[in-house]
Amino acid sequence: TQLLEQSPQFLSIQEGENLTVYCNSSSVFSSLQWYRQEPGEGPVLLVTVVTGGEVKKLKRLTFQFGDARKDSSLHITAAQPGDTGLYLCAMDSNYQLIWGAGTKLIIKP
Amino acid sequence: EAGVVQSPRYKIIEKKQPVAFWCNPISGHNTLYWYRQNLGQGPELLIRYENEEAVDDSQLPKDRFSAERLKGVDSTLKIQPAELGDSAVYLCASSFAPGRNEQFFGPGTRLTVL
Repeated sequence: TQLLEQSPQFLSIQEGENLTVYCNSSSVFSSLQWYRQEPGEGPVLLVTVVTGGEVKKLKRLTFQFGDARKDSSLHITAAQPGDTGLYLCAMDSNYQLIWGAGTKLIIKP
Repeated sequence: EAGVVQSPRYKIIEKKQPVAFWCNPISGHNTLYWYRQNLGQGPELLIRYENEEAVDDSQLPKDRFSAERLKGVDSTLKIQPAELGDSAVYLCASSFAPGRNEQFFGPGTRLTVL
């Protein structure tokens, strides 16, 4: 059973465009993490969100945690080729992380 | 400071052969994880260690997979015998403590079983 659903599964856009990817669950998260994974490497943590309604910004990336703590979004402004990668969300459950399948993002120059 | 180290980076074997992966976590990290990641999927937890104790191995296929972390530092994951469906990237991660603490990942071992 996939507890975390990420959408879209794949996104290819031109440099300079904006985009949003989503992470949804039927369960309430105690916390949620977003990671980025580049080819041939392990995932790297971008942000952890804990409080319902929380918004965090990391340069051109804006992360939002839903009020009910069951969903999250990642918005990228003016995407650049360096943003290319697999974006994974993971929720904290019983001392382990439950992972989504990821959104594969390609930014074309 | 060195990150999580894994070896080998790539391994190609024939089915029914054994294979082993090694991981050295970040110094001072008590929690160590082994994950399997199939193409286009997120990581799937195989086993979690707290120091030398395996505290969650519910997803480890114990008929062919084994793992150890004898001194609570580095760890080895073994598959014997390997099957075609074991082809995947095997990731090792470590964290200071379990739960919402940031996990630091190694580059993974890409296993191909022919």
